[in-house]
Amino acid sequence: EAGVAQSPRYKIIEKRQSVAFWCNPISGHATLYWYQQILGQGPKLLIQFQNNGVVDDSQLPKDRFSAERLKGVDSTLKIQPAKLEDSAVYLCASSPGGNTIYFGEGSWLTVV
Amino acid sequence: DAKTTQPTSMDCAEGRAANLPCNHSTISGNEYVYWYRQIHSQGPQYIIHGLKNNETNEMASLIITEDRKSSTLILPHATLRDTAVYYCIVRVANSNSGYALNFGKGTSLLVTP
Repeated sequence: EAGVAQSPRYKIIEKRQSVAFWCNPISGHATLYWYQQILGQGPKLLIQFQNNGVVDDSQLPKDRFSAERLKGVDSTLKIQPAKLEDSAVYLCASSPGGNTIYFGEGSWLTVV
Repeated sequence: DAKTTQPTSMDCAEGRAANLPCNHSTISGNEYVYWYRQIHSQGPQYIIHGLKNNETNEMASLIITEDRKSSTLILPHATLRDTAVYYCIVRVANSNSGYALNFGKGTSLLVTP
């Protein structure tokens, strides 16, 4: 079974530039999550989708972050404009419901 | 969600059992205990979960105290590949819409030769 796919794996941008990350969840998984993990900390939930609807985006900094899952399958997370403190790993995860969440390997962002 | 407390770091000799403790004294009756681990440069990986009873799978065992205020994850024969950050999380499970995990800082386990 294919896992959660993310791209790009690594990205370096200057502050105030924009960046987009793409995620393709495991086939058939209705729930999709985006997490942000800053170095030395545990992952923090940014947004949770159920199919193409948002379940929880309370921790998404909406002035600069946006995410969509238009067809209820793959998803994009965008940051515009980026700040230095956005340097982190952006993890996508998916779940069929129930007790297990499957994570991708993450997209590493460095803002300089 | 109930808050969890874990030691910052632990060491374990290869081949020995690794016992990772977690305190969750404010856990509610409908909250499960989940364990995930994160190997360097990878996404978190599910290990095991439980509600009241002890659980065992091919990766680990989970021992939950009778009052459910603490638990221990046991890796029976630790290998070097078990070196990772281990996260203990308590959360209500919602099978309809899935659930989100709220991660703390976890325990950094170092398995030594």
